[in-house]
Amino acid sequence: EVQLVESGGGLVQPGGSLRLSCAASGFTFSSNSMNWVRQAPGKGLEWVSYISASSATIYYADSVKGRFTISRDNAKNSLYLQMNSLRAEDTAVYYCATPVGGSGGFGYWGQGTLVTVSS
Amino acid sequence: QTVVTQEPSFSVSPGGTVTLTCGLSSGSVSTSYSYSWYQQTPGQAPRTLIYSTNIRSSGVPDRFSGSILGNKAALTITGAQADDECDYYCVLYMGSGNWVFGGGTKLTVL
Repeated sequence: EVQLVESGGGLVQPGGSLRLSCAASGFTFSSNSMNWVRQAPGKGLEWVSYISASSATIYYADSVKGRFTISRDNAKNSLYLQMNSLRAEDTAVYYCATPVGGSGGFGYWGQGTLVTVSS
Repeated sequence: QTVVTQEPSFSVSPGGTVTLTCGLSSGSVSTSYSYSWYQQTPGQAPRTLIYSTNIRSSGVPDRFSGSILGNKAALTITGAQADDECDYYCVLYMGSGNWVFGGGTKLTVL
């Protein structure tokens, strides 16, 4: 059974930093690209970042480019999102998600971790 | 900037059929793009329904189907049930790291 468990969320002041983690199990993590998707309270879903299986290819949404860094440790079956210079508008539940069928869609989702940026 | 449009809300009667759509602000959807659909109940993570426009994700009942209708991607739900009442999101993938979510449709079953 595929499991994705996010952690690391919490309350942080504007301008602060936070590192999210996503622990993966039940599939061959090292062979799959991964994504982060977020959802602000009461709002829709927003794609945040992508990393290929080997970390050779990385993409970011314009809204986080230059502030967030995605990475992974295939030996630990873990995905990370380092978030710096946080803003109030980064407040959201952050989900990690696997790809599906090489289609560009998302397959499995974690339960999410809440990041609140507030003074 | 690409904007993906969805109906903000829709209603369907129990047992009825509803088609939710996913369009592009710039015009017709392209068959060279990938479309996928997600279902989300309040407080829960999204659930993948459809990917590659019309492929049902594992475990998704065949009441849910995806297609291209006219100039939009579409999600059709037949035999609507009470627990279909939730939010539905489409995602357009244009390649090269370009994923764009629609704003979501809140479906009411009544």
